[in-house]
Amino acid sequence: EIVLTQSPATLSLSPGERATLSCRASQSVSSYLAWYQQKPGQAPRLLIYDASNRATGIPARFSGSGSGTDFTLTISSLEPEDFAVYYCQQRSNWPPSWTFGQGTKVEIK
Amino acid sequence: EVQLVESGGGLIQPGGSLRLSCAASGFTVSSNYMSWVRQAPGKGLEWVSVIYSGGSTYYADSVKGRFTISRDNSKNTLYLQMNSLRAEDTAVYYCARLAAAALNWFDPWGQGTLVTVSS
Repeated sequence: EIVLTQSPATLSLSPGERATLSCRASQSVSSYLAWYQQKPGQAPRLLIYDASNRATGIPARFSGSGSGTDFTLTISSLEPEDFAVYYCQQRSNWPPSWTFGQGTKVEIK
Repeated sequence: EVQLVESGGGLIQPGGSLRLSCAASGFTVSSNYMSWVRQAPGKGLEWVSVIYSGGSTYYADSVKGRFTISRDNSKNTLYLQMNSLRAEDTAVYYCARLAAAALNWFDPWGQGTLVTVSS
């Protein structure tokens, strides 16, 4: 089973600052990694798929990079609505299963 | 508009059963790959089950043998039958559609329904 480890657990930043979130896989997942944003009381929202592709309607300040085992989600300049928890996710082929990282909380400093 | 709406959650005693529903609009459930994902209070996301468009089903080890995923094509609705419920099954349950081509990501998600297993 592939394990995804996110770091840091919490990121304390101010609006306008740059946020860099990391997701490391225990073995290669090629580019098959997605990122989600979740705000309190809401469902997760897809941000990035296949490591670097922004989902429909996602602002350009969100970007993803990486391949293999190391991935990064970058928020270039934090807006007030970006303070939330972010999860990475990957898929295993056989048996079919999907796993998530434990999440990174981006909080207002 | 593509939308998923879950229902059926509630308070249930350990050992009990519950069926969750997920009504879809804007797309056809039977032509897509559909999943359930849960989130225990204050915790992260855990994949639970998937049903492929062809009907194949798969489960996380934590629920295998206790939960059953199914769909009703006439109602365009996804279900999760949960039996032998345990305290550790307490969570918000989300239904979500898997990306059609590669099955690599979930989009969209429903708003979730809370299941609380407690005596």
